[in-house]
Amino acid sequence: AQTVTQSQPEMSVQEAETVTLSCTYDTSESDYYLFWYKQPPSRQMILVIRQEAYKQQNATENRFSVNFQKAAKSFSLKISDSQLGDAAMYFCAFGGGADGLTFGKGTHLIIQP
Amino acid sequence: EPEVTQTPSHQVTQMGQEVILRCVPISNHLYFYWYRQILGQKVEFLVSFYNNEISEKSEIFDDQFSVERPDGSNFTLKIRSTKLEDSAMYFCASCPSAGRMNTEAFFGQGTRLTVV
Repeated sequence: AQTVTQSQPEMSVQEAETVTLSCTYDTSESDYYLFWYKQPPSRQMILVIRQEAYKQQNATENRFSVNFQKAAKSFSLKISDSQLGDAAMYFCAFGGGADGLTFGKGTHLIIQP
Repeated sequence: EPEVTQTPSHQVTQMGQEVILRCVPISNHLYFYWYRQILGQKVEFLVSFYNNEISEKSEIFDDQFSVERPDGSNFTLKIRSTKLEDSAMYFCASCPSAGRMNTEAFFGQGTRLTVV
């Protein structure tokens, strides 16, 4: 079974600054996907970015990028030029087993104006 | 852009009553899921569905839960006799891939279930 750990229950960053949210995972699989989902107060789950484990290149989506370290089983999310609309819960998720996505407990991101 | 649609957005029910949560997945997707998120906690996998049958289910998905795809478009989650601890946000998700179940799951906006 997979586990996903987000060790930061809450993070705070000034608007326009950069913040990094950490995620580590444990698995015995070699082929899998990793995801970051954003959950605003509306509680909808919005896909931010995904990484395929077989790709060495880190995924990037506009202001969002990841630092994927497969050997260390680490998958952090960097948000550059933080905006007020980035405030939300962020969930790291692992996909590769047969039993759906495995989510971490989430990090609450606060953006200070 | 195609999206997963869930109805209702909020359902209040009395303990012991049956509820049906409805989802319309993206039309060309092949895998369907239900997840649950108790307030303040992480999202948990309940069940996956492929080719008109359950593929996998978690320990949470006990005999009081059932899923079906009655008409080829809707995907429903039924809770037969609701308990207070069933109060949660329920998310439906669908996935396009035939080969891998977890490549990219598209989530609906969720149904908030409140059992009183």
